[in-house]
Amino acid sequence: NAGVTQTPKFQVLKTGQSMTLQCAQDMNHEYMSWYRQDPGMGLRLIHYSVGAGITDQGEVPNGYNVSRSTTEDFPLRLLSAAPSQTSVYFCASSYEGITEAFFGQGTRLTVV
Amino acid sequence: GQQLNQSPQSMFIQEGEDVSMNCTSSSIFNTWLWYKQDPGEGPVLLIALYKAGELTSNGRLTAQFGITRKDSFLNISASIPSDVGIYFCAGQSYNNNDMRFGAGTRLTVKP
Repeated sequence: NAGVTQTPKFQVLKTGQSMTLQCAQDMNHEYMSWYRQDPGMGLRLIHYSVGAGITDQGEVPNGYNVSRSTTEDFPLRLLSAAPSQTSVYFCASSYEGITEAFFGQGTRLTVV
Repeated sequence: GQQLNQSPQSMFIQEGEDVSMNCTSSSIFNTWLWYKQDPGEGPVLLIALYKAGELTSNGRLTAQFGITRKDSFLNISASIPSDVGIYFCAGQSYNNNDMRFGAGTRLTVKP
């Protein structure tokens, strides 16, 4: 049982580059979300989705795009990476609501 | 915005000791959760609380949802080395899909 799978685990980008962080879950969860974790700040919600075709902004959405074409996948796109986006990114899914989420192992992103 | 203040920031304890950490907010939450994060891993849910005043246990862990809905605490009894990690509180308010996290309590257990 894979749960929530994130790829890649590590990534280094140059300022201005774009990339997509992948997230897939095999639990048939309707809710999926993306968080970033910075030292001393806990996790902050970037975007979330309550089901295929539906997305919404969280606390820190600027600089990130998402889409949800299937129940299983919820990719996070950085259109033009900035050093301020250096962080550890976590994808999560849950059966009902955004609470009681199952988290992936994270993607450590460095923007130079 | 809603802010969660989690304390202490870090704790260094001896194996076998009890641990207590708490989380407070200036806003009301209808759900409080406690997560644990091991190095290089994502957070794992420990306890979820849904009612003001609710006291819930999960093995050696006990958590309570404060009566005012603005606070929660987590207790760990008889700590063991595998309790090492970062513990996060999280809260969610009514009609809001935005779950807020505290900054975490880093727990170190000395054998």
